[in-house]
Amino acid sequence: TQLLEQSPQFLSIQEGENLTVYCNSSSVFSSLQWYRQEPGEGPVLLVTVVTGGEVKKLKRLTFQFGDARKDSSLHITAAQPGDTGLYLCAGNAGNMLTFGGGTRLMVKP
Amino acid sequence: SQTIHQWPATLVQPVGSPLSLECTVEGTSNPNLYWYRQAAGRGLQLLFYSVGIGQISSEVPQNLSASRPQDRQFILSSKKLLLSDSGFYLCAWSTGTVGQPQHFGDGTRLSIL
Repeated sequence: TQLLEQSPQFLSIQEGENLTVYCNSSSVFSSLQWYRQEPGEGPVLLVTVVTGGEVKKLKRLTFQFGDARKDSSLHITAAQPGDTGLYLCAGNAGNMLTFGGGTRLMVKP
Repeated sequence: SQTIHQWPATLVQPVGSPLSLECTVEGTSNPNLYWYRQAAGRGLQLLFYSVGIGQISSEVPQNLSASRPQDRQFILSSKKLLLSDSGFYLCAWSTGTVGQPQHFGDGTRLSIL
């Protein structure tokens, strides 16, 4: 069974601070996705990383896929209240996704 | 563009009653379809997935079943709901290409009384 450990589970920060969310596994994934979810809605895809060592930037969000394709990180620079939500990482194995437990982020104005 | 619809958005059902949640996808053909359950503020647990009409794979033994009567329709059912069936149910689709991301509906909040 493939497991994805996501940390931290909860994060409460002030507007303007930086943060990093981690997603770790002992398994290798062919690709990894990051999603953001608002209460009462489905997860929305932020990014897919495929190549070991890959770094992708989406405005203030930076996503990194580990060299061995077992782990990933999401770094947010100068967080804003609009970044508040549940962040989920998910690793691809064939047609299946294994989800991390999620990181609930709250950014206070 | 592709869209995915789930309904109802909210459902309150008594213990022992039947269940039918529906999910449809538009704008794509022969998608892979998935049903997930999500505990409050946590990750997603895969319940069922389907790679084609009439093809259902179950990931977790439980009180629920799934069916795919048409290419872009996926139904989650139960004959008799349990209290433990309460939760947030999400439908998702992906293309048949390995490694592609999944795209989610807005979910159904199911409360069992």
